[in-house]
Amino acid sequence: KQEVTQIPAALSVPEGENLVLNCSFTDSAIYNLQWFRQDPGKGLTSLLLIQSSQREQTSGRLNASLDKSSGRSTLYIAASQPGDSATYLCAVQGGSEKLVFGKGTKLTVNP
Amino acid sequence: DADVTQTPRNRITKTGKRIMLECSQTKGHDRMYWYRQDPGLGLRLIYYSFDVKDINKGEISDGYSVSRQAQAKFSLSLESAIPNQTALYFCATSDFSAFGGNEQFFGPGTRLTVL
Repeated sequence: KQEVTQIPAALSVPEGENLVLNCSFTDSAIYNLQWFRQDPGKGLTSLLLIQSSQREQTSGRLNASLDKSSGRSTLYIAASQPGDSATYLCAVQGGSEKLVFGKGTKLTVNP
Repeated sequence: DADVTQTPRNRITKTGKRIMLECSQTKGHDRMYWYRQDPGLGLRLIYYSFDVKDINKGEISDGYSVSRQAQAKFSLSLESAIPNQTALYFCATSDFSAFGGNEQFFGPGTRLTVL
């Protein structure tokens, strides 16, 4: 059974700092990995999708990497801003097309 | 307008009542999903549908049923609500990919409280 773990569960940083969020998964037989952002009381916004054949994806200040063989992904946020404060969720998709989610990392960026 | 909409956005109901949550999408996707989110447990899949005639149970389907009325509509029903079904419910959609795997797009969620 696929299990997804996100460390740390919570992170607080000063504005402007570069940071890394971690995601690990137990079964490397995945189609893709998605990073989402969730704001309080709101839905999930897809940030980046990395296909299993890819090593990384970039969108603006965000860069996500994937090492499928070791079961790890990282989300790098450059020059963090208070507006980046949210919960970040990692999810992997296997052969059944179902997403398995981690429990998320709650990020607070302090002005 | 939002691509994936859910109604209602908030609902308070009593134990034993029947309740339906609705999801509509304008993305033209074939695949639709229902998840619930609980603090400390993350998101878990309840049911998913690959097309109108293909409906499948997810990880936690007990106590729930679904109906795929059309490609664009997927409803989740709680036949007799109980307090431990209090949660945030999300609908999601995705398109078919010949390469396997597909990006999922989520609705804004329905906060359900069962008293």
